[in-house]
Amino acid sequence: EAEVAQSPRYKITEKSQAVAFWCDPISGHATLYWYRQILGQGPELLVQFQDESVVDDSQLPKDRFSAERLKGVDSTLKIQPAELGDSAMYLCASSLRDRWITNEQFFGPGTRLTVL
Amino acid sequence: AQSVSQHNHHVILSEAASLELGCNYSYGGTVNLFWYVQYPGQHLQLLLKYFSGDPLVKGIKGFEAEFIKSKFSFNLRKPSVQWSDTAEYFCAVSPNQAGTALIFGKGTTLSVSS
Repeated sequence: EAEVAQSPRYKITEKSQAVAFWCDPISGHATLYWYRQILGQGPELLVQFQDESVVDDSQLPKDRFSAERLKGVDSTLKIQPAELGDSAMYLCASSLRDRWITNEQFFGPGTRLTVL
Repeated sequence: AQSVSQHNHHVILSEAASLELGCNYSYGGTVNLFWYVQYPGQHLQLLLKYFSGDPLVKGIKGFEAEFIKSKFSFNLRKPSVQWSDTAEYFCAVSPNQAGTALIFGKGTTLSVSS
C-alpha cells in the first residue's frame, strides 16, 4: 500500500540553528499539506500546495519558515532559525483530487522536532 | 472561522464497554467530516469519513459515526471496545470543496483496560 514518506523521523537541534524536513507524497497526489502538531493538540495547517504552487500559507510564520515543492512531487519545509516554541511534530499529508470531493488526506509518520 | 470541539479529553474504559466520543464543528456550509486515529507510535490513519449520503457512516474496526446536521455533530461510536483501541482520536472537518485543508479538534485519548 502506498504511503507518504517523511524524513528524518526525529530531529534534535539547538535554537538558532536551521532544520529541514522532507516529504514524498503518494504518487499521483497533486495536493500536499504540511501540518504542525503540538503535544496535546490536533494538527494545524502550515502550508498547502497544489502541484508546485502554494495554495494557502496564511498560517506559515514566513519570517522563519519556508516551504517548496519545486517539481510538484516531493516537498521540503525549512525553519531558520529554530526557536524553542517550534518543538512539535511536523506532519505531511497528501490527497487526490477525486470527483466526489471527499478531501481524504493520507498522513506520513511525521518528524518530531525538539529544539534545545 | 471554522472550528472543531471534542468534548472529552481523556476517556478510560474497560474492555467490552461501549464508546461514544463527541465532536461538534462550527461551519455554515456543506462539510466533509472525518475521524482519524493515532495508535501509539504510529501515524494518523483514517477511521471513517462522511461527504454525502447516508448520515450514518461505518468505518474500519467496528467504528461508526453519525452526522447530525442540525446539531453540527459527528459523534464516534463503537458498541464494544477492545484493548487494541487504545489510541488518540481526532475529529476533523473541511468545507466540501476540492483540495481544502482539514481543521482538527484537539483529540481524545482513549485508554482501554483489559
